[in-house]
Amino acid sequence: EAGVAQSPRYKIIEKRQSVAFWCNPISGHATLYWYQQILGQGPKLLIQFQNNGVVDDSQLPKDRFSAERLKGVDSTLKIQPAKLEDSAVYLCASSSYREPGGEQFFGPGTRLTVL
Amino acid sequence: AQRVTQPEKLLSVFKGAPVELKCNYSYSGSPELFWYVQYSRQRLQLLLRHISRESIKGFTADLNKGETSFHLKKPFAQEEDSAMYYCALSGPGANNLFFGTGTRLTVIP
Repeated sequence: EAGVAQSPRYKIIEKRQSVAFWCNPISGHATLYWYQQILGQGPKLLIQFQNNGVVDDSQLPKDRFSAERLKGVDSTLKIQPAKLEDSAVYLCASSSYREPGGEQFFGPGTRLTVL
Repeated sequence: AQRVTQPEKLLSVFKGAPVELKCNYSYSGSPELFWYVQYSRQRLQLLLRHISRESIKGFTADLNKGETSFHLKKPFAQEEDSAMYYCALSGPGANNLFFGTGTRLTVIP
């Protein structure tokens, strides 16, 4: 089966600019996650979707970050405006709802550099 | 509050030597524990989870609730085991993962 797809793979922007990331999960996976991984740290969950509804966005900085998952498939994560501390790898993952606590499948990530 | 601690950022062992990557957790309840691995130029992927009680690529991990630990072990390290290893937990029946900071394992030929 095709894996989780993400684009772009790399992005360099200046602070205060806006940026958007796209994710296409594995076909049939109802649950989609966005993680932020800052250099030297483990991934941190930003938001979790079940189909097109938000399950958990407690760690999402809502003053500048937004995410949506239209039609319960693809998802976009937006940062507006970006700050220096947003430099990180943004990982998208998906899992089957039939398996709570089951395996999450990760995409290759988008490396964001904010100058 | 939940916490996953991986005390070693870097770990080097010789090929054929035993390896143990430490993971301690803090969680009010009974979490589910996982080990994820990221090989060079590859995606983060699941290595094993405690509920499966299985050995993957020669690795095992035993959940010790008394010591709140979930250490990853392999009796004989191989060069292809060199990678970044992350311990993670989730609440029972939940999906979202809380990760540790990771341990980079290098197996010296």
